[in-house]
This record gives sequence, structure tokens and C-alpha cells, in this order.
Amino acid sequence: GAVVSQHPSWVICKSGTSVKIECRSLDFQATTMFWYRQFPKQSLMLMATSNEGSKATYEQGVEKDKFLINHASLTLSTLTVTSAHPEDSSFYICSATSGRPSYNEQFFGPGTRLTVL
Amino acid sequence: GQNIDQPTEMTATEGAIVQINCTYQTSGFNGLFWYQQHAGEAPTFLSYNVLDGLEEKGRFSSFLSRSKGYSYLLLKELQMKDSASYLCAVLDSNYQLIWGAGTKLIIKP
Repeated sequence: GAVVSQHPSWVICKSGTSVKIECRSLDFQATTMFWYRQFPKQSLMLMATSNEGSKATYEQGVEKDKFLINHASLTLSTLTVTSAHPEDSSFYICSATSGRPSYNEQFFGPGTRLTVL
Repeated sequence: GQNIDQPTEMTATEGAIVQINCTYQTSGFNGLFWYQQHAGEAPTFLSYNVLDGLEEKGRFSSFLSRSKGYSYLLLKELQMKDSASYLCAVLDSNYQLIWGAGTKLIIKP
């Protein structure tokens, strides 16, 4: 149980285009989903926290107009990188929890590797 | 500010034991996680400690001392597949996960 999928696994796009990444909880309802970014040899950096049916909470320094997050249902959250640039190339990982945020182990998706040319 | 410290890299021999330390200073504490992350993959959950003491799970054990702001992950009978980064993360008073930079563990035959 507690499986989280991400799609696509990797994507290559041209500078200036937008890319959408989907995160799905396959066998549980995810009340909260998290989006992380990880640059090579660095730790995970939380970008935003999203709760189903409400606006995402972005971390300081993360542009909400550039990284659009939609958590439309209890099993799906999407991250859209708008007008992507080479510096947005990174490993994007989502995670999901169910129920109250206290304790709750975060179940991670397999990640999406984005390369912007 | 909030801070989590762990060694950048460690090397150990196959079959041996290694201890990865983590110290933290956070605004509040609601538990500490250890995750394993292989290169190019997402993290996978290893352990969760919220009370002081040692939690053993097979070859892996995790220890917590809240008064010292200290935890360690102990890996026994090391196998080559244990080569990975090990991430320490603390759940703060707002139930937000604060991540350490990770410890890259290299296992040599």
C-alpha cells in the first residue's frame, strides 16, 4: 500500500515552454501533497505544500506564478513549470500524506527529471 | 534558524557496521525521520523516532536523544546495495519536515 506515482519520469523541453508533472496517490487518499526539488548532490528542497481543494502554500523564494500547483482531488496534484528555463532543470519529487499532518510518514513518488534546453 | 547537521560522506566496508550521526536545532520537535535515497531515485522511508531510545528494524537501527538534539542511524552487516545517501529530517512544531543535506555512504568490498 501507500504508492505514489509521478508522470512523466523524465522530460526534455525547450526553453520558454511549460511542463506539467502529475503526482498521484494510487491506493490512498492524500489530503496533503508536497512538491520538492533536488539539484545534483544537494538535499531535498521543499517548494510547496498543497491540500486538496485549497491553494498551495509556497516556501520562501519559490515563485508561485512560475510553479503552478493544483490539487484538484484527493489523489491527484499537478505541478506546472511555466516558461521553463535551463536553471529550472532539476529532479522534482512529490510526496503525499493522508489524514492529519502530525507524524504522518511522507510517501514519495519516483521523481521527475526535468531538463530544459 | 533551523539547522540539521550530518556528515557529507562516509566510507565503510562490506559486512561492517556504520553509524551515521545527525544533530538538529529546530523550532519544536515532532519526530525525526531517516530516509534512504539511491542516486537518481526518490527517498524511501527507513525509520521514525519521536521518543528517546533505540528503534531496531532488521539490519537498521535508529537512536534518538531529544535532550541532546541528536540521532544516529546504525547499519549492520553492510551490503553493497546500502551504498546510498541517508537523509535525516525533523518534523518541527508546525509539522513541517526540515531536511538535512544527506550523508553519502560508500560501501567498499
